[in-house]
Amino acid sequence: NAGVIQTPRHKVTGKGQEATLWCEPISGHSAVFWYRQTIVQGLEFLTYFRNQAPIDDSGMPKERFSAQMPNQSHSTLKIQSTQPQDSAVYLCASSPSAETLYFGSGTRLTVL
Amino acid sequence: GDSVTQTEGPVTVSESESLIINCTYSATSIAYPNLFWYVRYPGEGLQLLLKVITAGQKGSSRGFEATYNKETTSFHLQKASVQESDSAVYYCALGRGNYKYVFGAGTRLKVIA
Repeated sequence: NAGVIQTPRHKVTGKGQEATLWCEPISGHSAVFWYRQTIVQGLEFLTYFRNQAPIDDSGMPKERFSAQMPNQSHSTLKIQSTQPQDSAVYLCASSPSAETLYFGSGTRLTVL
Repeated sequence: GDSVTQTEGPVTVSESESLIINCTYSATSIAYPNLFWYVRYPGEGLQLLLKVITAGQKGSSRGFEATYNKETTSFHLQKASVQESDSAVYYCALGRGNYKYVFGAGTRLKVIA
């Protein structure tokens, strides 16, 4: 069991560019979460999928952020027109039951 | 809204000494949330350390323990004798029985020899 895999580990983008972050959940886990972590805000919930269906994206900044889960083996978080305030560590987690979360190592996004 | 407050770090403790990291919660959306401690060791991802879903119960793992106290709305993390390998960032969290977790800000622990 390789755990939750996130790629890339680090991503640097210029202001206004697009960033796509990838997550491979643990096989058999039906729930997938995306969180964002910053020093100021801590860990913030972004969005949640269950059995690939989007359940709640209430934490997502509406205009530039989107998340998808096209199949049970991966999810993507896309940020359009990145801004410096989007710089953060983006964490993906999966769970068999939405009770205990299993986190990936995260993608550190830096927007210059 | 729901919130979690924990000891502000960094916390520095000498090896073999005792440790307590305080955690208090406020849960307005659910009477008895599930409570968790997660840990992130250097270079690794967040991982579950222990969890307790029943008020009054104690959870333990790797020598750490925490008791769910609904009277004081607390879930303090304790260890009798820390080791250098315990150096990490510890997060207290509450779960509302669905999927929305609320995490504390994290407490960085440094154990010195």
